[in-house]
Amino acid sequence: EAGVVQSPRYKIIEKKQPVAFWCNPISGHNTLYWYLQNLGQGPELLIRYENEEAVDDSQLPKDRFSAERLKGVDSTLKIQPAELGDSAVYLCASSLDSNTEAFFGQGTRLTVV
Amino acid sequence: DAKTTQPPSMDCAEGRAANLPCNHSTISGNEYVYWYRQIHSQGPQYIIHGLKNNETNEMASLIITEDRKSSTLILPHATLRDTAVYYCIVRVYSGAQKLVFGQGTRLTINP
Repeated sequence: EAGVVQSPRYKIIEKKQPVAFWCNPISGHNTLYWYLQNLGQGPELLIRYENEEAVDDSQLPKDRFSAERLKGVDSTLKIQPAELGDSAVYLCASSLDSNTEAFFGQGTRLTVV
Repeated sequence: DAKTTQPPSMDCAEGRAANLPCNHSTISGNEYVYWYRQIHSQGPQYIIHGLKNNETNEMASLIITEDRKSSTLILPHATLRDTAVYYCIVRVYSGAQKLVFGQGTRLTINP
């Protein structure tokens, strides 16, 4: 069974440019999470979806970040415009539902120059 | 969610048991203890979770004290591939399901 798939694996962009990350969760998983991980720190939740509904986006900086999960399967996370401080690893995870363990993808390492 | 305290780093010899402690003195009765690990350049990997009783699976054992204020993750025969950052997390089983990661313990397995 395929795990959580994220792309791209690495991304380097100039500041003020837009960037998008894509996540394909494990088949049948209704809950999807986006996490941000700064160097040397544990992951921090940005947003959680239950099917296509964003049920916890309190930590998502809405002035520049947006996310969608239109059909309740794949999801994209966008930053526009990117800032130097956005350099980090962006992790996607999924779980069968909100009561079961989450499985993580390998993440997208973003470098903003 | 209750806060957890873990040592920042630990070393263990290959083939020996690695015992990773976690303090969660403010844990509530409906909070589970979860363990994840993160190998370099990979996403976190679920290991095990428990509420009151000790748990064992193919990866590890989880020992929770009777008062539930601390727990220990045991890797019975550590290998070099177990070198990773290990996160102990307490989490309510229902309602908001946010996993709150701390700094974790960086475990190094030495040959």
